[in-house]
Amino acid sequence: DAGVIQSPRHEVTEMGQEVTLRCKPISGHNSLFWYRQTMMRGLELLIYFNNNVPIDDSGMPEDRFSAKMPNASFSTLKIQPSEPRDSAVYFCASSFSSGGKASTDTQYFGPGTRLTVL
Amino acid sequence: AQSVAQPEDQVNVAEGNPLTVKCTYSVSGNPYLFWYVQYPNRGLQFLLKYITGDNLVKGSYGFEAEFNKSQTSFHLKKPSALVSDSALYFCAVRDRGDTGRRALTFGSGTRLQVQP
Repeated sequence: DAGVIQSPRHEVTEMGQEVTLRCKPISGHNSLFWYRQTMMRGLELLIYFNNNVPIDDSGMPEDRFSAKMPNASFSTLKIQPSEPRDSAVYFCASSFSSGGKASTDTQYFGPGTRLTVL
Repeated sequence: AQSVAQPEDQVNVAEGNPLTVKCTYSVSGNPYLFWYVQYPNRGLQFLLKYITGDNLVKGSYGFEAEFNKSQTSFHLKKPSALVSDSALYFCAVRDRGDTGRRALTFGSGTRLQVQP
């Protein structure tokens, strides 16, 4: 299994530009999570999907951030317009949930995208 | 609401000595508990998890963790540390009874430094 795939691995952009981060979850997984990691705030959950439906987006910082999951094998996180304070490492993770209490939903993480906004 | 506390920002240990990385949690019901490790410039890697049953859980790379319900703790341990164990360790929790929320809540992380 290839694991969770994220692209690009590094992104450098200028303030005001649109940034799109991409994620391919592990095949067969039905939950997908976007996290942001910074030194100051640690690891923050931005949004997660179950069966391609957004379940909890309360961690999305503001309207500049949006996420989509058009199918089970692809998700995007978009920042428009980007700002220097968005600089962070963005992780995607996926898990399989059977939906019941017995499902532990172990999450598997991608390698991350390091975003630098100048 | 669920939460995790990792009280130590950094743990230093000499190679060959036992190590402990502390974690305490808070959930409304019963927990699922996880440990992840992050090496520099890498994503988080799953180490081990507690579901139910035996309070001592064994995971990857010789790590183990002990679930203590009365102390609401899930400390990570290893009998003999290696320099290659130096990394950032995260504890995470999910409320087993909350089938609506599948997301984990992560602690702030503890940096483990193993000196040769």
